[in-house]
Amino acid sequence: DVKVTQSSRYLVKRTGEKVFLECVQDMDHENMFWYRQDPGLGLRLIYFSYDVKMKEKGDIPEGYSVSREKKERFSLILESASTNQTSMYLCAIKLGGGWGRNTEAFFGQGTRLTVV
Amino acid sequence: AQKITQTQPGMFVQEKEAVTLDCTYDTSDQSYGLFWYKQPSSGEMIFLIYQGSYDEQNATEGRYSLNFQKARKSANLVISASQLGDSAMYFCAMREDEAQGGSEKLVFGKGTKLTVNP
Repeated sequence: DVKVTQSSRYLVKRTGEKVFLECVQDMDHENMFWYRQDPGLGLRLIYFSYDVKMKEKGDIPEGYSVSREKKERFSLILESASTNQTSMYLCAIKLGGGWGRNTEAFFGQGTRLTVV
Repeated sequence: AQKITQTQPGMFVQEKEAVTLDCTYDTSDQSYGLFWYKQPSSGEMIFLIYQGSYDEQNATEGRYSLNFQKARKSANLVISASQLGDSAMYFCAMREDEAQGGSEKLVFGKGTKLTVNP
C-alpha cells in the first residue's frame, strides 16, 4: 500500500514564526504536491515537485516555499506565518507517469494549521 | 476562469437511494482525465473513480459510476444505494494534459457535501 505521511495532524503557530510542514512517502515516486484546503474554495495547489531539487509554483505560491532534498521528502515552508495561512494542508503523491487509472494521486492525512 | 465547477454546495439523500453529484469542466485539450475523490470528516482524500476523455464507456467502480457527457463537458458522479458511510465531501478534479504543455497537476472543484439520512 502507498503511504504518504504528514508530520503533524494539528499545529498551532504564532504570527511571524517560520513553519515547516513535512511530507514523507515510502515509495520511489517522483511527483509530490502541496495543496491547501479552505471551506468553499476546494483544494488549491501551492507547489509541486517532479524530482529532487525540482519545484514548480502552483496557483497560490505567495507566502510559501518548498524544499525537496531527498526523493521521499517534500517540505512546505511558511517563511513568516500569517493568520490568513490558517488552513488544512494536504500533501499528495502521484503514481507513475501521466495521469489516469492506476496513476491517480494519493494524499496524506492532512495538517490542520492554525496561526494565532 | 474556473476549470472545474461543482454547483451543489450540499446535497441530501435518503439511505438506499441513488444520488447524482454534478461536475462540469472547462478545457480546450482533446486529451484529459477526470477524477472523483471522497473526503470523510476524518480528512483523508480517497480516490473513487477515473474517466479518460477517450474512454468510450462510462467508468464504473462498484456503487460509483461516472455519467460522462463529453459534448456538455460534464462528468457527474452517481452513487447507487447510498449508505450512511457515504456522508462526506466529494471533489471533482481534472488533470491537465502534459503533452500539450500542461503541468503535472490536478485542478479541483470546490466540492459538494453529501449527507445521507437514515
